[in-house]
Amino acid sequence: GAVVSQHPSRVICKSGTSVKIECRSLDFQATTMFWYRQFPKQSLMLMATSNEGSKATYEQGVEKDKFLINHASLTLSTLTVTSAHPEDSSFYICSADKLAGVVQYFGPGTRLTVT
Amino acid sequence: AQTVTQSQPEMSVQEAETVTLSCTYDTSESDYYLFWYKQPPSRQMILVIRQEAYKQQNATENRFSVNFQKAAKSFSLKISDSQLGDAAMYFCAYRTPGDMRFGAGTRLTVKP
Repeated sequence: GAVVSQHPSRVICKSGTSVKIECRSLDFQATTMFWYRQFPKQSLMLMATSNEGSKATYEQGVEKDKFLINHASLTLSTLTVTSAHPEDSSFYICSADKLAGVVQYFGPGTRLTVT
Repeated sequence: AQTVTQSQPEMSVQEAETVTLSCTYDTSESDYYLFWYKQPPSRQMILVIRQEAYKQQNATENRFSVNFQKAAKSFSLKISDSQLGDAAMYFCAYRTPGDMRFGAGTRLTVKP
């Protein structure tokens, strides 16, 4: 199998606070993990790509200091939304590659609401 | 930049019938991968089928098959014997080692 989990599935936070989202590959080692953002009724927008032990590569227009990504191990990547604002409210999805794989396996997503 | 275009925002099919979802892409690469993902209301992305660009044979997975036309940069998905559970958003995706792009998606409705 290739199962990816995300925690939490839903989170509500107040404006100005930070929130961390975890992405774990449960039954495989993920050399690369990806973070996406999805607005309602829209497609997935790639935010960043992270490799274990190295700095994430951010897509153009994504603020590195706002969306902190840490890929500390081959099974865990975290996305921290710092100083969250209502416009950061969205659905965040992570995915992971198996070693030498080409298929991305997706987590179930995290709905973030900033009040 | 690579782009993926799905020209059909919505499609509808009668249960047990066949439907084809369109996808075109733009690339200058010769080696890449193409995917169709399904996103049901739960929003969990599910891989439907994949195609390696270097393979001429069209991929097939049970009721799902693709028509891959490399020269035309076209990658359509055919769903045969449609079932109610096929209702979902379908995203076409393109991948190279350094890039992953999704189309805007096609919402498929299956009528009983």
